[in-house]
Amino acid sequence: QKEVEQDPGPLSVPEGAIVSLNCTYSNSAFQYFMWYRQYSRKGPELLMYTYSSGNKEDGRFTAQVDKSSKYISLFIRDSQPSDSATYLCAMRPGNTPLVFGKGTRLSVIA
Amino acid sequence: DTGVSQNPRHKITKRGQNVTFRCDPISEHNRLYWYRQTLGQGPEFLTYFQNEAQLEKSRLLSDRFSAERPKGSFSTLEIQRTEQGDSAMYLCASSGGTEAFFGQGTRLTVV
Repeated sequence: QKEVEQDPGPLSVPEGAIVSLNCTYSNSAFQYFMWYRQYSRKGPELLMYTYSSGNKEDGRFTAQVDKSSKYISLFIRDSQPSDSATYLCAMRPGNTPLVFGKGTRLSVIA
Repeated sequence: DTGVSQNPRHKITKRGQNVTFRCDPISEHNRLYWYRQTLGQGPEFLTYFQNEAQLEKSRLLSDRFSAERPKGSFSTLEIQRTEQGDSAMYLCASSGGTEAFFGQGTRLTVV
């Protein structure tokens, strides 16, 4: 079992839809949780980070962490074609390197 | 531009040749990470530095891979005797605290 599991998709939604992206993990020591967006042939861009459990909102994006279930989510409201990208979850226990999921490829259709 | 800079952006090399990639981190960041990413996969951790000290190198893929950060500023990743399986995107990230910021990557193609 990989430390971080993420459904690779692809996920295709109409413009304006609410998108839900998820990851599960096995290491209960993970404390820092990040979401990156990666456009084709570009480096990952940090979208949001959350420490421990709870929710965090930034504009159209909401990140949720449920440590009891070892489950994290990223919600995108009012999705736009420009949101079409691969979304990577990443996490780490403390001050150590991030462990990434495989990424979910999202297409938002106009 | 104050982001993480990687050079070159693309490298095509013949099998058996050595290649070196450079990463310039965000200036005040003391941690620097190297990752490799293949098609359809998430970034895979290779090695990292805190200032000039290499804190973890056991995840380097083989002894053909080496990295340096001689003065705690820029870093280089070298691959000796390249193989076709080394074809991938090599990503560098830097961090001054909690968040890690990535460069645009160096795409290596071994022919």
